[in-house]
Amino acid sequence: KNQVEQSPQSLIILEGKNCTLQCNYTVSPFSNLRWYKQDTGRGPVSLTIMTFSENTKSNGRYTATLDADTKQSSLHITASQLSDSASYICVVSPFVAAGNKLTFGGGTRVLVKP
Amino acid sequence: DGGITQSPKYLFRKEGQNVTLSCEQNLNHDAMYWYRQDPGQGLRLIYYSQIVNDFQKGDIAEGYSVSREKKESFPLTVTSAQKNPTAFYLCASSAGDTSFTEAFFGQGTRLTVV
Repeated sequence: KNQVEQSPQSLIILEGKNCTLQCNYTVSPFSNLRWYKQDTGRGPVSLTIMTFSENTKSNGRYTATLDADTKQSSLHITASQLSDSASYICVVSPFVAAGNKLTFGGGTRVLVKP
Repeated sequence: DGGITQSPKYLFRKEGQNVTLSCEQNLNHDAMYWYRQDPGQGLRLIYYSQIVNDFQKGDIAEGYSVSREKKESFPLTVTSAQKNPTAFYLCASSAGDTSFTEAFFGQGTRLTVV
């Protein structure tokens, strides 16, 4: 069964500090992995998307890494800001011709405090 | 201003009542999707449509119905057969199969049974 597990479930960090979120998946065969940011009560917004051949991808202060061998990904937030308070969702797509089988993790809720 | 519009933002349903959630997109995307989000859980696929006048059941279609009469519109009806409808509903669209293309999400509709 395809699964995506994220850790921690939640974390609190002080403004200006860095943090790293983890994502482990069992989706196979693998096409791509995405990280989304979801503000409370809003829809998810894409941060990064990586194929199996990519090891790292950045979007401003957000840097995602991927190890396709160990089936692990991380999202690093640098110099956190209050606006980074949100849920971060890891999404994995299998390599299939059709079927729209995105598998979503449960998310990590990040709270940035001043 | 291109995007996906969901309405209403909040919806209240009485026991035994059917309600319809609206989703409109002006991105000229062929594919549209409905997801359900419950606290602490990953998004789960309810229905998806890859082309007008065609749609497929997702993982949790029971108690829901959809139609795709126009490319821009993909309404979701939550029927009285859905025993636990209270959740956050997200509509998404993509240019093609989400295995390979980016998915864009609406702002969500929060449905509450009263």
